[in-house]
Amino acid sequence: QQQVKQSPQSLIVQKGGISIINCAYENTAFDYFPWYQQFPGKGPALLIAIRPDVSEKKEGRFTISFNKSAKQFSLHIMDSQPGDSATYFCAASGSGTYKYIFGTGTRLKVLA
Amino acid sequence: DTGVSQNPRHKITKRGQNVTFRCDPISEHNRLYWYRQTLGQGPEFLTYFQNEAQLEKSRLLSDRFSAERPKGSFSTLEIQRTEQGDSAMYLCASSRTSGGGTDTQYFGPGTRLTVL
Repeated sequence: QQQVKQSPQSLIVQKGGISIINCAYENTAFDYFPWYQQFPGKGPALLIAIRPDVSEKKEGRFTISFNKSAKQFSLHIMDSQPGDSATYFCAASGSGTYKYIFGTGTRLKVLA
Repeated sequence: DTGVSQNPRHKITKRGQNVTFRCDPISEHNRLYWYRQTLGQGPEFLTYFQNEAQLEKSRLLSDRFSAERPKGSFSTLEIQRTEQGDSAMYLCASSRTSGGGTDTQYFGPGTRLTVL
């Protein structure tokens, strides 16, 4: 019940295209859902985060869509660029603890 | 904010040796977290502190692992009698209590441990 399932494992997108990464969770007590970007050899960097009281949040080219009833949330990267090539992790937190439960990651490659 | 810093960035050790990592959180962040990340996986929670109190520990944190945060500032993670399975990236994150709900965690660059 503490797991966060992330898909796809890897994704290849053409420059200018839309990258979509999906996550699903079981624990309805989770109340915070961040997305992180990680480059090889670096720590994860926060991209965008959402709480369950909203269904969508947009920051620049990055949008989180949140479906509370389906217990799913997704990251959309608009106008994907080669510099976006990285591994993306979704996470969830709440239920009386502040730790994050991370998904297994999606390796994104944007072709020039 | 100068960000979360971790030292050393890389550590190579022989099996059976003890190692210690240090994390300096963003100033005024009262919560500090340790995670472990193996190749191709997401970070896994190890433990967290609120100020100097260690409030939660994962089952992943065996008796060989110990973490401290004296005076609620920097933190150290020690691994005794290292094993090859301890080889991983050890990540530190910090956050500031937001007054309601979960905080946003900011990660450091990590310490990559290789146990030979």
